[in-house]
Amino acid sequence: GENVEQHPSTLSVQEGDSAVIKCTYSDSASNYFPWYKQELGKRPQLIIDIRSNVGEKKDQRIAVTLNKTAKHFSLHITETQPEDSAVYFCAASLFGNEKLTFGTGTRLTIIP
Amino acid sequence: GAVVSQHPSRVICKSGTSVKIECRSLDFQATTMFWYRQFPKQSLMLMATSNEGSKATYEQGVEKDKFLINHASLTLSTLTVTSAHPEDSSFYICSARIASGGAHEQYFGPGTRLTVT
Repeated sequence: GENVEQHPSTLSVQEGDSAVIKCTYSDSASNYFPWYKQELGKRPQLIIDIRSNVGEKKDQRIAVTLNKTAKHFSLHITETQPEDSAVYFCAASLFGNEKLTFGTGTRLTIIP
Repeated sequence: GAVVSQHPSRVICKSGTSVKIECRSLDFQATTMFWYRQFPKQSLMLMATSNEGSKATYEQGVEKDKFLINHASLTLSTLTVTSAHPEDSSFYICSARIASGGAHEQYFGPGTRLTVT
């Protein structure tokens, strides 16, 4: 089955700086890669996703890049703010299979 | 749009009893819902895939007789933890996929924190 690795497990960034979280996946058939943000005790919230037919997608301060050849994708957050502090999960979905395989999560802390 | 509710948000039960958790899609139809389990500071572990009108598909290692799933309508799936034990204590989260346009997006419920004493 699919295996998703996520790094780093923790990340501290000065407010205003950029944060980058990276994930790799094992199954080349995966074609959908969402990112979720989860605050303590709350539900995961979909913040951005990318499909395999594009290499990059941007939504205001958040962007995701995908390298299908290398089988890795990354989340980029620019101009970080304290409210960006949370746990971020990447995930991958196999073609024709709706199941999401999640990475292990990154705890992002924005230092004011 | 794309709101998923879950009930109850917290439940405490005694060992040996059963607990039912409901997952509802409030403003869309969901042919498929998913049930996850999350331990503190860990990732989401998929337990089973719930399809409306058919039997659930369980992940390897998940006991189907212990975690009963019913998806009776396009807006409701239930997870029943039977004969609960303290090791079943966890955060249970459901998600629902919008049933149109080949969309992949999954939207999560707020979760249910189960404590078995």
